[in-house]
Amino acid sequence: GAVVSQHPSWVICKSGTSVKIECRSLDFQATTMFWYRQFPKQSLMLMATSNEGSKATYEQGVEKDKFLINHASLTLSTLTVTSAHPEDSSFYICSAENPGTNTEAFFGQGTRLTVV
Amino acid sequence: DAKTTQPPSMDCAEGRAANLPCNHSTISGNEYVYWYRQIHSQGPQYIIHGLKNNETNEMASLIITEDRKSSTLILPHATLRDTAVYYCIVRVASGSARQLTFGSGTQLTVLP
Repeated sequence: GAVVSQHPSWVICKSGTSVKIECRSLDFQATTMFWYRQFPKQSLMLMATSNEGSKATYEQGVEKDKFLINHASLTLSTLTVTSAHPEDSSFYICSAENPGTNTEAFFGQGTRLTVV
Repeated sequence: DAKTTQPPSMDCAEGRAANLPCNHSTISGNEYVYWYRQIHSQGPQYIIHGLKNNETNEMASLIITEDRKSSTLILPHATLRDTAVYYCIVRVASGSARQLTFGSGTQLTVLP
């Protein structure tokens, strides 16, 4: 079946540095991908919608200059956490749907970011 | 998308059926009921979805009431690996891709 792959699965970085997370759709082309964030013991919260060939759409309260999204191809979206701080430590998850069906969403494995 | 209500937690004995309820009393006619689960520290996994008829696949069965205001996800023979948070989500199925709105879900713990 369709698969969405996310990389890396975990990363530790120092405060002030930037981290890039990749999300790939392996079996289909996705013009739209979604980025979620999940803090411990909480549910997933949508951060932004990544649109191939155009600017991402950010949810209220999510800083677009801090969370840079690039969707340069139909199979790859990247999320870059810039100037990371400890409060950015979280579980980041991407998802995509097969545009041929638009039925179920497929999620990446998630990326555990720890900023020290 | 319609809001859903689920119990925060449930326990189930290994090998027994797990029945997870979900209320979605404000569901619209074109909205489907989706179920996903999230095993600890992993991305959510699609389980099943349906509109009004009961659905069954290799993972689970979905029972939707006639008025569509509630549904039940059934795991027929729960195993320890089914321990996860189960999310019931209501949304339209077709058209352009849309984000999923996750509620708090139900933490299912399968006990040995």
